[in-house]
Amino acid sequence: DIQMTQSPSSLSASVGDRVTITCQASQDISNYLNWYQQKPGKAPKLLIYDASNLETGVPSRFSGSGSGTDFTFTISSLQPEDIATYYCQQYDNLPMYTFGQGTKLEIK
Amino acid sequence: QVQLQESGPGLVKPSETLSLTCAVSGYSISSGYYWGWIRQPPGKGLEWIGSIYHSGSTYYNPSLKSRVTISVDTSKNQFSLKLSSVTAADTAVYYCARHLNYAPGEFDYWGQGTLVTVSS
Repeated sequence: DIQMTQSPSSLSASVGDRVTITCQASQDISNYLNWYQQKPGKAPKLLIYDASNLETGVPSRFSGSGSGTDFTFTISSLQPEDIATYYCQQYDNLPMYTFGQGTKLEIK
Repeated sequence: QVQLQESGPGLVKPSETLSLTCAVSGYSISSGYYWGWIRQPPGKGLEWIGSIYHSGSTYYNPSLKSRVTISVDTSKNQFSLKLSSVTAADTAVYYCARHLNYAPGEFDYWGQGTLVTVSS
């Protein structure tokens, strides 16, 4: 099984800060990596697919990069409405879908 | 606009079978995509349970495969989850979602989720 290691598990930042979350796969997953935002009591929302593609309607301050085993999710300028938990998710052709452990983002 | 809505009992007794249905509107299940179930125990992360295509083709998370059955009813545009022999560890919010069955396999539409508690 492919394991996903997401870090940090929690993060505190100020409005306007640049925020970075990483996700590492236990083996090469090419660019088969997606990112989601989940606000309390809500379903996850797709933000980034295929490692770096922005889902329609998602603000451009969100971005993703990486390939192989190492991936990064970035918020260029943190806004109050970005407070949420963020998850990475990988796909392999077993098929199997695995989520990272999540990063809880709070305002400092 | 694609919408998914989960329904089913919110309380299930230990050793019994959990049954949920996901009604899809705004898109015909028969038009394509895969339709999956994901769960989230309180305060924890997300776990994919399994998925189905409109043809009935299914695949499941190996860790749950022995207890899971997913079925589809294209005439009602809905799909269902059955999880047998439940324990307290199966207490979770259960989500249904639409996704591609090829890379990168993103889940693009989700239901709002339904909390299922396993307790006597």
